[in-house]
Order: sequence, then C-alpha cells, then structure tokens
Amino acid sequence: ILNVEQSPQSLHVQEGDSTNFTCSFPSSNFYALHWYRWETAKSPEALFVMTLNGDEKKKGRISATLNTKEGYSYLYIKGSQPEDSATYLCAFFYSSASKIIFGSGTRLSIRP
Amino acid sequence: ETGVTQSPTHLIKTRGQQVTLRCSSQSGHNTVSWYQQALGQGPQFIFQYYREEENGRGNFPPRFSGLQFPNYSSELNVNALELDDSALYLCASSSGGTTQETQYFGPGTRLLVL
Repeated sequence: ILNVEQSPQSLHVQEGDSTNFTCSFPSSNFYALHWYRWETAKSPEALFVMTLNGDEKKKGRISATLNTKEGYSYLYIKGSQPEDSATYLCAFFYSSASKIIFGSGTRLSIRP
Repeated sequence: ETGVTQSPTHLIKTRGQQVTLRCSSQSGHNTVSWYQQALGQGPQFIFQYYREEENGRGNFPPRFSGLQFPNYSSELNVNALELDDSALYLCASSSGGTTQETQYFGPGTRLLVL
C-alpha cells in the first residue's frame, strides 16, 4: 500500500520565524508532486507543481525542493506571517495523472 | 473567469439513500477530479474525468459513480449511503489531464449521513 506522510502533523511558530516541513513519498513510479495551502473555510489553493528531481520552486516567502530518488519534498516558509496559518498538503502522483495520494497535511499556526 | 463551484454546500441524508453532488469546472478546464476528505485525514482520490471519460479511479466501491458533461461540469453519485460516507467532498478542475497542470479546488460539499 502506497503511503504519503507529512511531518510534523502540526506546528506552532512565532511570527517572523522561518519554518519548514516534509512530505515523504514512495521513490518509485514518481510522476509529480503538488503542494497546496488550505486555509480554514476556503478551498485548497495550489502552491507548487513539481515534476523533476532537484526541482526548486519559489513563490514570495515560500519555497519547495524535491528529491525523487529518496522520496521527499520540503516546504520552507521564510519570515512567517499570521496569514501563513493554514494546513499545507502535499499530493503525490504516481504512474499517471490519475493516480493521486494526498498526505494528511501539516497544520501551521503563527503566533503574533 | 469563474472559479470552481460545487453544490450543494451542505447535505444531510440517511443511511441507504442516494446522493448527487455537482461541480462546475473552471472555464477552459476539461478535467475534473473528485476527492473525499474525512475528518483528520487528507483528501482521498475517488476518480477523475477527462473529456467526459473516466480517466482513473481510487480505491472506492462501485456505488461511487460519476459523470462528466459536454460543458465539463461533473456529478458524483453515491448509492446506498453508509455512515462512513459522511465527509467533505471536494472537486478540482484542471486542463489537459496531466500532472503538470495545477488543480483548482471548489469549496466542497459537506455530507452528513445519519
């Protein structure tokens, strides 16, 4: 059974601190990895689509890296702000565009 | 450009009943994926439709079925509802049916089965 794990499950950081969390996935049959941010009472919002080993993507203060050989991706947030409070989900696509497993998410809370 | 919409927003059904959930994809998108999210878990992939054909399916029983229409909107039908079907149902649309494409999610339908 394929499994995608995200760690930690939850994280509380002080405003202004930088933080990072992990998505671990099977290293075989990799097709793509997506990162999403899901704020309470809103729809999940796509952050990054990552497809190549060594990919690094950046959007403002948020960046992500990908290692398909060892099966992990890191999401980094620099200088956390209260609006970064959300659940961050990764989705692992294996074999094709229609084989998808989501992790359970990392719930991030920023203390002012 | 309108975003992804879902209806209804909330629904209460009893065990054994049938339910239909609807999703309107974002303009220009031809792919719709459906997910079930139970409390405390990540979304679980139910199936995907690409240009009106089922393009992939997760580990859900046949009583979960779907349709995609020529305008690329989609329905999720669940027959013989069980208590465990209580969850948030999300749909996401994308273009091209490939993993390179960003998925745009709707707000979800929260289903409660009593």
